[in-house]
Amino acid sequence: DTEVTQTPKHLVMGMTNKKSLKCEQHMGHRAMYWYKQKAKKPPELMFVYSYEKLSINESVPSRFSPECPNSSLLNLHLHALQPEDSALYLCASSQEGGGQVPGNTIYFGEGSWLTVV
Amino acid sequence: DAKTTQPPSMDCAEGRAANLPCNHSTISGNEYVYWYRQIHSQGPQYIIHGLKNNETNEMASLIITEDRKSSTLILPHATLRDTAVYYCIVRVGYGNKLVFGAGTILRVKS
Repeated sequence: DTEVTQTPKHLVMGMTNKKSLKCEQHMGHRAMYWYKQKAKKPPELMFVYSYEKLSINESVPSRFSPECPNSSLLNLHLHALQPEDSALYLCASSQEGGGQVPGNTIYFGEGSWLTVV
Repeated sequence: DAKTTQPPSMDCAEGRAANLPCNHSTISGNEYVYWYRQIHSQGPQYIIHGLKNNETNEMASLIITEDRKSSTLILPHATLRDTAVYYCIVRVGYGNKLVFGAGTILRVKS
């Protein structure tokens, strides 16, 4: 089973709202990721968690706040977003070990479509 | 990160083999080549990866040149459902980054 589950699939929020995107995996993976994808562009890395600790933040604005409550769950808290933040948000997971571990494949969820109005 | 270069788009006839090229001339000796695809409105799907040797799985084959400066993803019998953006990615030598380039839009036509 290589399933990463994201909820909700679609979210519309106002610029003053606070909302959260959720991600869950039960593959025993200890690395989890958030990517952002704008229309007709490739996915862009936002955050990486390794063993529930934030290991990479790609200079993401503070209106995006990640949280990893346990090894199976990853949240992305959203507050005071702008219309240009509308995008597909992808969660992913992998075994920990970095790019040198054979089989350290990153598996993606189907994404959450976010529209900021 | 080693940079990859892919053609922006390719067409393939249904039932024929689709050969997607990728150049990665600055690849380091300990970096892997990964291929993902993304069907419209879905998350990226892992296809295959390799280091030096050619690899094959139920989805595709990966041919890596001896100097490792380029590779080719082969879908042996393309179907309409293989229409997608295909990304060739070189994994960094440490950490957990997977950096996507622009990819190749593969259109399979009947």
